[in-house]
Amino acid sequence: DAKTTQPPSMDCAEGRAANLPCNHSTISGNEYVYWYRQIHSQGPQYIIHGLKNNETNEMASLIITEDRKSSTLILPHATLRDTAVYYCIVRVLGSARQLTFGSGTQLTVLP
Amino acid sequence: DAGVTQSPTHLIKTRGQQVTLRCSPKSGHDTVSWYQQALGQGPQFIFQYYEEEERQRGNFPDRFSGHQFPNYSSELNVNALLLGDSALYLCASSSTGLALVTDTQYFGPGTRLTVL
Repeated sequence: DAKTTQPPSMDCAEGRAANLPCNHSTISGNEYVYWYRQIHSQGPQYIIHGLKNNETNEMASLIITEDRKSSTLILPHATLRDTAVYYCIVRVLGSARQLTFGSGTQLTVLP
Repeated sequence: DAGVTQSPTHLIKTRGQQVTLRCSPKSGHDTVSWYQQALGQGPQFIFQYYEEEERQRGNFPDRFSGHQFPNYSSELNVNALLLGDSALYLCASSSTGLALVTDTQYFGPGTRLTVL
């Protein structure tokens, strides 16, 4: 599975959009981009995943560039409860492979 | 719909002892993966069970073993505990049967193991 690069930390003001970037320049054509988050000492929570089209659900939006070498997770109206470590993972859908976690981005939402 | 559950929540053991952690997958899921998360690090894959067999394994010693039951629940066993085994142990469930649609892994709350 392709490797990802994320900034170690980011801050965001409460109520503003949080935009979390991820680089995956070696992504293969059949690899999806997954996002998980982990609030302190809890299990990781699945957020969203996508292949090449932009995706949106009740939690977030995922924007993938046309060349698929990078993506951005958008939390439209960040709240204090969104403070967590966010992990970007690329993985072949349906391969049943394990998730390979990097270091993630520590997002701190400030009041 | 119950999510992934794990037991116990916390556990304290001493070096050399053995421990068993348990996981019940999300309803409708048939695959269980186990991860170890040391303090300050991302989760590391231990192994995955499907159809009561170990399907994949990460870079962990044989002291780590597992089992999956006919009802898809799973156990993680660690023998001869070391101080370095202190970590948050996470279970994730997914559905291999729906692999062509999605095999998203959903995590439980974890078991915090402390080895003294």
